[in-house]
Amino acid sequence: RKEVEQDPGPFNVPEGATVAFNCTYSNSASQSFFWYRQDCRKEPKLLMSVYSSGNEDGRFTAQLNRASQYISLLIRDSKLSDSATYLCVVNLANAGGTSYGKLTFGQGTILTVHP
Amino acid sequence: DADVTQTPRNRITKTGKRIMLECSQTKGHDRMYWYRQDPGLGLRLIYYSFDVKDINKGEISDGYSVSRQAQAKFSLSLESAIPNQTALYFCATSDLTGTGNYEQYFGPGTRLTVT
Repeated sequence: RKEVEQDPGPFNVPEGATVAFNCTYSNSASQSFFWYRQDCRKEPKLLMSVYSSGNEDGRFTAQLNRASQYISLLIRDSKLSDSATYLCVVNLANAGGTSYGKLTFGQGTILTVHP
Repeated sequence: DADVTQTPRNRITKTGKRIMLECSQTKGHDRMYWYRQDPGLGLRLIYYSFDVKDINKGEISDGYSVSRQAQAKFSLSLESAIPNQTALYFCATSDLTGTGNYEQYFGPGTRLTVT
């Protein structure tokens, strides 16, 4: 089983749509969570961190469910510029709760927003 | 100027050749990483370094070596390149954020083709 699993998509949605991505992780010691965005042939860039209480940044909302070990990303009012690959990322910690400082990436979910 | 730079950006080489990919950063981060990205497989960690005297293997280190020449520089070498090392290579840096997470910042990538 992969440590971080995502539906690769692609998701094709019209402008203005709401779209949600889910991601599951296998290691319960995972400490912190992120969504990165990657445009075609470009480097990944941090979109947002994911906190236990859930967090929102404009049209983007991230949720974490530790009991079920999944993370979600909701994009409202999709724009053409949202077209990209979205990477779910987790950071492991040791038994003492200290971060290993290494990230594990999911394979990414491709989103295409069309006019 | 970019905070994390990689050279070369593109390289075509032949099987058996030695090749070095270089990464420099101006962010002042202690931690540096090398990843490769293949279609459908996401980013996989090759090597990482938490400071100048620290080198650690990632999940796919076979066939690669690294050198941390200074805090700002981290080089990846392929001693004898083979075709299945054709991939997009990313360097990344990180440092501890105020929330206790290690967010990573990526270079623009090096596209390597081994013929």
